[in-house]
Amino acid sequence: QQKVQQSPESLIVPEGAMTSLNCTFSDSASQYFAWYRQHSGKAPKALMSIFSNGEKEEGRFTIHLNKASLHFSLHIRDSQPSDSALYLCAVSYASSGSWQLIFGSGTQLTVMP
Amino acid sequence: GGIITQTPKFLIGQEGQKLTLKCQQNFNHDTMYWYRQDSGKGLRLIYYSITENDLQKGDLSEGYDASREKKSSFSLTVTSAQKNEMAVFLCASSISSQNTLYFGAGTRLSVL
Repeated sequence: QQKVQQSPESLIVPEGAMTSLNCTFSDSASQYFAWYRQHSGKAPKALMSIFSNGEKEEGRFTIHLNKASLHFSLHIRDSQPSDSALYLCAVSYASSGSWQLIFGSGTQLTVMP
Repeated sequence: GGIITQTPKFLIGQEGQKLTLKCQQNFNHDTMYWYRQDSGKGLRLIYYSITENDLQKGDLSEGYDASREKKSSFSLTVTSAQKNEMAVFLCASSISSQNTLYFGAGTRLSVL
């Protein structure tokens, strides 16, 4: 059974700071790793995803994946107040011949102006 | 672009009542999901479906039924609403289980 855990639970950073969010998973057979962002009262929306070990950058956002250490992370450069949201990591998990997506419990990020 | 429509937006039920939530997507996606989100928390998988008439249980399936009679629609039934239960139920769809999920706006459930 896949276990997905996020840290920290909540984070407050000043505007312009580098923010780092962490996610650990338990099933090394997982193939798909993603970050979603959910603003208050809204639906979650996909930010970035990665399939293989390494790093992927899109604008101010960078995702790192290390399958051997069962860890992936999201880094936000030059954090903005509009980045304040609940961040959810998601990992694929094979069950009964099909893949399902398991989410972590989230990190609540607040960026102070 | 496509859209996922969840109905109703708000649902107030009585303890023990059977309640049905509906979800429609026009992405033509094969895979659809139902997740539950308690206030400010992560998403817990209730049911998913990889194609029409397919149903797969998630970790939270007890107390729920689901139905996927058409590719475009996926419904969820709370078989017996629990008193003081409050949660948001989110429907999502994707091309496959290892691709981006697109979420609906959610159904907010309150049980009196």
